Amino acid sequence: GAGVSQSPSNKVTEKGKDVELRCDPISGHTALYWYRQSLGQGLEFLIYFQGNSAPDKSGLPSDRFSAERTGGSVSTLTIQRTQQEDSAVYLCASSLAPLSNQPQHFGDGTRLSIL
Amino acid sequence: ILNVEQSPQSLHVQEGDSTNFTCSFPSSNFYALHWYRWETAKSPEALFVMTLNGDEKKKGRISATLNTKEGYSYLYIKGSQPEDSATYLCAFPNQAGTALIFGKGTTLSVSS
Repeated sequence: GAGVSQSPSNKVTEKGKDVELRCDPISGHTALYWYRQSLGQGLEFLIYFQGNSAPDKSGLPSDRFSAERTGGSVSTLTIQRTQQEDSAVYLCASSLAPLSNQPQHFGDGTRLSIL
Repeated sequence: ILNVEQSPQSLHVQEGDSTNFTCSFPSSNFYALHWYRWETAKSPEALFVMTLNGDEKKKGRISATLNTKEGYSYLYIKGSQPEDSATYLCAFPNQAGTALIFGKGTTLSVSS
């Protein structure tokens, strides 16, 4: 079946603009995660969604970042008033169940560059 | 704060060499340890999820072992091939069980 799909694959924008990143998880996967990898850093957790439960937003780096997941499926990550330090690869992942012993299935990511 | 350490940071071997990397993680409140392979221009791919002390898992030429009491896991690649070139990540669940905490990875380069 189809894997995790992310769009756009690349995004270049000017500092101060808003950007929206999209993630379409694997059908039937209840858990959805957003991570990012900045240059020279490891993968950093941003936000977690599980079904209709309140999301875990503890990894969002500032209030310029927000995310939603509609209908328990597609998720969008929005970054307002982008800054150069927001440049990174943003990865979305989904898993069959919200257990940490389940493998996560990743999309190809969105490479975001802030000029 | 949970921390996952990986070594070496990078590694360059010749085709046919066998190699191994290390992942260190907190040994208290262990739940699971994940290994992923991330090839350039592709998405990270799950290799193993390990949950039991002494566990050993194998996928083709790649295998992994787990020691939860001392907090480390080894990933082995036997007879490295150029297509094994990738960054190998290990990860440990956060305390809430809502995400994985990743190490910075070991980048393997295999020359033919």
